[in-house]
Amino acid sequence: EPEVTQTPSHQVTQMGQEVILRCVPISNHLYFYWYRQILGQKVEFLVSFYNNEISEKSEIFDDQFSVERPDGSNFTLKIRSTKLEDSAMYFCASSYQETQYFGPGTRLLVL
Amino acid sequence: AQSVTQLDSHVSVSEGTPVLLRCNYSSSYSPSLFWYVQHPNKGLQLLLKYTSAATLVKGINGFEAEFKKSETSFHLTKPSAHMSDAAEYFCVVSRNSGGGADGLTFGKGTHLIIQP
Repeated sequence: EPEVTQTPSHQVTQMGQEVILRCVPISNHLYFYWYRQILGQKVEFLVSFYNNEISEKSEIFDDQFSVERPDGSNFTLKIRSTKLEDSAMYFCASSYQETQYFGPGTRLLVL
Repeated sequence: AQSVTQLDSHVSVSEGTPVLLRCNYSSSYSPSLFWYVQHPNKGLQLLLKYTSAATLVKGINGFEAEFKKSETSFHLTKPSAHMSDAAEYFCVVSRNSGGGADGLTFGKGTHLIIQP
């Protein structure tokens, strides 16, 4: 069964550094998403992406964040200058229509 | 705007007994509703979904949920709990705008504990 994959599974970075989180969505899916889950808190929507542009974004998704689909398979989330509060689990998801399928997540720790 | 309230942060049941995880939602639209499960150190797995068809929805692993519009509820049930059901369960609402790209709104989660 096809699934969403994410790399790396864990990333440790220093405050102020740039990080890129990578996702490979399910191959025939059209919509792509990023969510985050800060430890002990609920899963929060960050951004959705369709037809090579952002469809919707939350107030969390400020200028420090960007998304890109650089080729036909990858979908990336870039955080330009990480802050301590960016430490979280980041989930990628994809969908053909409405039902979203999630990857296993990347745990980001900012020191 | 939409929101989800999971009424119990923790539920503990004995193996072989019924499971009930409660969820109420609020939405300005006719929503789609989902339950996802997260096992320790794993990603989010779709259990079941309601998208305006039958109000009783059957999912994987023997779980089902009933959409009750009058009560704005979407409670998750299972007749007989198994040890492998121990996990975090999330009730989720989508705006159901008719396509994709809608961000999901998650509840805070219910931690299901199964006693042997």
